[in-house]
Amino acid sequence: AQSVTQLDSHVSVSEGTPVLLRCNYSSSYSPSLFWYVQHPNKGLQLLLKYTSAATLVKGINGFEAEFKKSETSFHLTKPSAHMSDAAEYFCVVSDRNYGGATNKLIFGTGTLLAVQP
Amino acid sequence: ETGVTQSPTHLIKTRGQQVTLRCSSQSGHNTVSWYQQALGQGPQFIFQYYREEENGRGNFPPRFSGLQFPNYSSELNVNALELDDSALYLCASSALIGMRAEDTQYFGPGTRLTVL
Repeated sequence: AQSVTQLDSHVSVSEGTPVLLRCNYSSSYSPSLFWYVQHPNKGLQLLLKYTSAATLVKGINGFEAEFKKSETSFHLTKPSAHMSDAAEYFCVVSDRNYGGATNKLIFGTGTLLAVQP
Repeated sequence: ETGVTQSPTHLIKTRGQQVTLRCSSQSGHNTVSWYQQALGQGPQFIFQYYREEENGRGNFPPRFSGLQFPNYSSELNVNALELDDSALYLCASSALIGMRAEDTQYFGPGTRLTVL
């Protein structure tokens, strides 16, 4: 079964400092992994996705993530935090049922990122 | 390109009532999925629709049902509402090409349902 574990429920950084949000995954096959961001009272926005191409994935707003199979990790990073980055971030794995062609997303519990001025 | 839209934005119902939530897919997408996000939690998969049929279901009771229309828009219906149904309901659209489901799902802004 597919699953993801977000290792930190809350992360606080100062504006201009690096961001690291940690995610470990469990998958019985080569996974598709995503990071989504959710600003307060908003829907989910796709930041980036990994689908077995390059292991370093670049996303929107300066975020990137590195797929490390040996560590079963998919951590999200950004070199310099901005106040507008304050939001909840979800690590997500795709659970595919090829027989029924169902594709459901399995979400982690989320990491709330606070950015201090 | 039009994104995923949902209506209404907010809804207040009382226990035992029924509710219908609506979703319009992103242009070019033929698959719709619904998720429930309780306060402080990650979204949970309810079900997915393709070609107007349910194409996979999560761990939700039968009082959660859906429809997909020929234009790929969708409805989520919940009967006999319970207090625990209070949540943000998210719709996501994606493309299914042949028998291969496209992994990436694009989400709407959600409907906030409050059950009193």
